[in-house]
Amino acid sequence: GAGVSQSPSNKVTEKGKDVELRCDPISGHTALYWYRQSLGQGLEFLIYFQGNSAPDKSGLPSDRFSAERTGGSVSTLTIQRTQQEDSAVYLCASSLGAGLGTEAFFGQGTRLTVV
Amino acid sequence: TQLLEQSPQFLSIQEGENLTVYCNSSSVFSSLQWYRQEPGEGPVLLVTVVTGGEVKKLKRLTFQFGDARKDSSLHITAAQPGDTGLYLCAGIPSNDYKLSFGAGTTVTVRA
Repeated sequence: GAGVSQSPSNKVTEKGKDVELRCDPISGHTALYWYRQSLGQGLEFLIYFQGNSAPDKSGLPSDRFSAERTGGSVSTLTIQRTQQEDSAVYLCASSLGAGLGTEAFFGQGTRLTVV
Repeated sequence: TQLLEQSPQFLSIQEGENLTVYCNSSSVFSSLQWYRQEPGEGPVLLVTVVTGGEVKKLKRLTFQFGDARKDSSLHITAAQPGDTGLYLCAGIPSNDYKLSFGAGTTVTVRA
């Protein structure tokens, strides 16, 4: 499809397990963001990729969280040793760049539930 | 501390009433955007404002960017149940390069 695709759409995991969330951005978009959204809340910035530059990881809440972006396209967000407080919707967005007024296009998110 | 402060957090009104949502910051933004998010979906861009003092209208929605480019407002006239959703302001501060979001305003329009 032409939009941002995220998988899986829902993930239930046991506390202590590792999970991988995938994001396929729009082709040609150099910027990619991961955000976390708790129920009824706004978006918490996690990590930002822009082209071949080093990612901005300043929003990652702990060293259990990591992300990579291979070939400037697909990105994977990995959460190790999941905790119940990690339960949230994880949203990925891509944009053409970081220029003035650039629109961010979002996927539908992955709803993660840690039991 | 949120870079972008939105108010109110929740707003519930009757169909046909008007409403205003505010987005404020102590930082200067090169542009501000408003997104709307419906349940189970990702946010979708409504508008981008780039010039201080700018006013943009999108049907019944009016967006304003403050003269100092530190604040914005979204006004909805004669709200309809289809306007229900989470409204998020977002922007890239002049001294940064990544998009930051406010905490959002949940708007409920009752029929």
